[in-house]
Amino acid sequence: TQLLEQSPQFLSIQEGENLTVYCNSSSVFSSLQWYRQEPGEGPVLLVTVVTGGEVKKLKRLTFQFGDARKDSSLHITAAQPGDTGLYLCAGAYGNKLVFGAGTILRVKS
Amino acid sequence: DTEVTQTPKHLVMGMTNKKSLKCEQHMGHRAMYWYKQKAKKPPELMFVYSYEKLSINESVPSRFSPECPNSSLLNLHLHALQPEDSALYLCASSQHPGQGRDIQYFGAGTRLSVL
Repeated sequence: TQLLEQSPQFLSIQEGENLTVYCNSSSVFSSLQWYRQEPGEGPVLLVTVVTGGEVKKLKRLTFQFGDARKDSSLHITAAQPGDTGLYLCAGAYGNKLVFGAGTILRVKS
Repeated sequence: DTEVTQTPKHLVMGMTNKKSLKCEQHMGHRAMYWYKQKAKKPPELMFVYSYEKLSINESVPSRFSPECPNSSLLNLHLHALQPEDSALYLCASSQHPGQGRDIQYFGAGTRLSVL
């Protein structure tokens, strides 16, 4: 069974602070996706990382894929209230996505 | 365009009702998925259709019945549901099922309440 451990589960921070979310596994994934989801809506794809050691930037968000393709991180710089939501990492394994437990982020103004 | 369209957005049904959820994509994707999601939890895979054939059933109770009429459409037929089946039901699609770099795109979901 492939597992993705995502941490932290909850994060409540002030506007302007930085944060990092981690996803770790003992399994190797072909690729890893990060999604953001707002209440009552579907997950929206933020980024896909496929190459070990890859770093991708999306404005204030930086995504990293571990060299061994077993772990990934999402770093947000200067968080804003609009960043509030559920962040999900998901590893591609065969025909399936293996999801982490999710990180609920709340950014207070 | 990465749009997956789900209807209805909200559905309330009794335990004796029969209803259907619908999902549509026009991206030429060859795999479509049904997920169930409880509040503040990650999505749980229910079914996968690959090239219009059911390839994965994650031991879902028979009161949920999937159907894939063609490569663009996916239905989920509901019958005799229980209150614990209340959840957000998500549809997703992807272009290259089973390939390592395949990306799933999700619809907005149907919020189902079973009374």
